[in-house]
Amino acid sequence: KAGVTQTPRYLIKTRGQQVTLSCSPISGHRSVSWYQQTPGQGLQFLFEYFSETQRNKGNFPGRFSGRQFSNSRSEMNVSTLELGDSALYLCASSGGQSGNTEAFFGQGTRLTVV
Amino acid sequence: AQTVTQSQPEMSVQEAETVTLSCTYDTSESNYYLFWYKQPPSRQMILVIRQEAYKQQNATENRFSVNFQKAAKSFSLKISDSQLGDTAMYFCAFMKHPLYGGSNYKLTFGKGTLLTVNP
Repeated sequence: KAGVTQTPRYLIKTRGQQVTLSCSPISGHRSVSWYQQTPGQGLQFLFEYFSETQRNKGNFPGRFSGRQFSNSRSEMNVSTLELGDSALYLCASSGGQSGNTEAFFGQGTRLTVV
Repeated sequence: AQTVTQSQPEMSVQEAETVTLSCTYDTSESNYYLFWYKQPPSRQMILVIRQEAYKQQNATENRFSVNFQKAAKSFSLKISDSQLGDTAMYFCAFMKHPLYGGSNYKLTFGKGTLLTVNP
């Protein structure tokens, strides 16, 4: 069974640019959540998508957005990048079977904004 | 809103010894799950152990066990016979029950405890 795949693994962008990160969940999982991990703030929840609908959103500015496709793959977009957006972005896949609460994480995308 | 607190930023233990990582949380929910996740230097977040709040029995997974004190809102992780491969960042996390109050799989994490196992 393939795990959660995040692409790309590393990304360097310039301030003001935009970026799109991708996450392919485990087959059969309908929920994809995104987290931002930084040394100062730790792991912070960005948003969750379930069957193409955003179910929950964290306290991030509108520059952070996402979407989910019919095959459950999800993308996260950050527009007008700021230096503070440099972080490890983790995607988690859940909801494969009724009552299964385990979140399976991808290896993350390391975004550096210069 | 839920909060998760890990009061030990760093800990170290000798190989083969036992170590306990602390976690406290705050919630008004009655149905929820608690987790310990491990993040080694490779960055891959891996589930170590899970506890359902309605279960009084503490969860165990091989060398890993928890001490779940619901009234005290405490959820500590005990690692027995520590191994070098246990060196990692450990995160305590909370999730509302997806069926009974959450309708989502959002995790709230603590700041983490960096555990180093020394040979």
